[in-house]
Amino acid sequence: SQQGEEDPQALSIQEGENATMNCSYKTSINNLQWYRQNSGRGLVHLILIRSNEREKHSGRLRVTLDTSKKSSSLLITASRAADTASYFCATDANAGGTSYGKLTFGQGTILTVHP
Amino acid sequence: NAGVTQTPKFQVLKTGQSMTLQCAQDMNHEYMSWYRQDPGMGLRLIHYSVGAGITDQGEVPNGYNVSRSTTEDFPLRLLSAAPSQTSVYFCASRPTVTYEQYFGPGTRLTVT
Repeated sequence: SQQGEEDPQALSIQEGENATMNCSYKTSINNLQWYRQNSGRGLVHLILIRSNEREKHSGRLRVTLDTSKKSSSLLITASRAADTASYFCATDANAGGTSYGKLTFGQGTILTVHP
Repeated sequence: NAGVTQTPKFQVLKTGQSMTLQCAQDMNHEYMSWYRQDPGMGLRLIHYSVGAGITDQGEVPNGYNVSRSTTEDFPLRLLSAAPSQTSVYFCASRPTVTYEQYFGPGTRLTVT
């Protein structure tokens, strides 16, 4: 079964606006990752946040993690048309402290940024 | 570096046929995985490997076999294709010391 649930399923904004996507998960995690997928392409890693971190920044990306609520959010600031893509959260479960890279993905958010 | 490569890009099979999806990486990553992506369901893990000679099942392994004879290659075999296996298949690799995964471009498989 899917670990993560993402909302919204689709988001349409204008260039320059901020985009926020949310992810919820069910079990304890080692880390949570966000990936981007352009149409018809493979996934590209964006940012990772460990279970003992609450917030992380990378360029125009800001990710937060609330382990008590089992939720995360991804904020893209000052969006551009090139940010149009699907965004997925993925959890890396804590298997006794060892992570083998078995990611569990949410169903994704489709972001459309209009020029 | 080519990264993670997958062949073929597209494939059409008839029910009952068998085929192998190829995956190779040139980054010397120990961990490799196969996922399938279906509309509205995100990616689901099929099989994974933590090194040459070591494989294990993921969330949806039925109908698929894997082997890992070298660090570089991780082929996925469909023994008897079914329409339910129509999907986009992604291979990924990961080094042991960091967590982010590197994905290939995918193989779009249609089973009629």
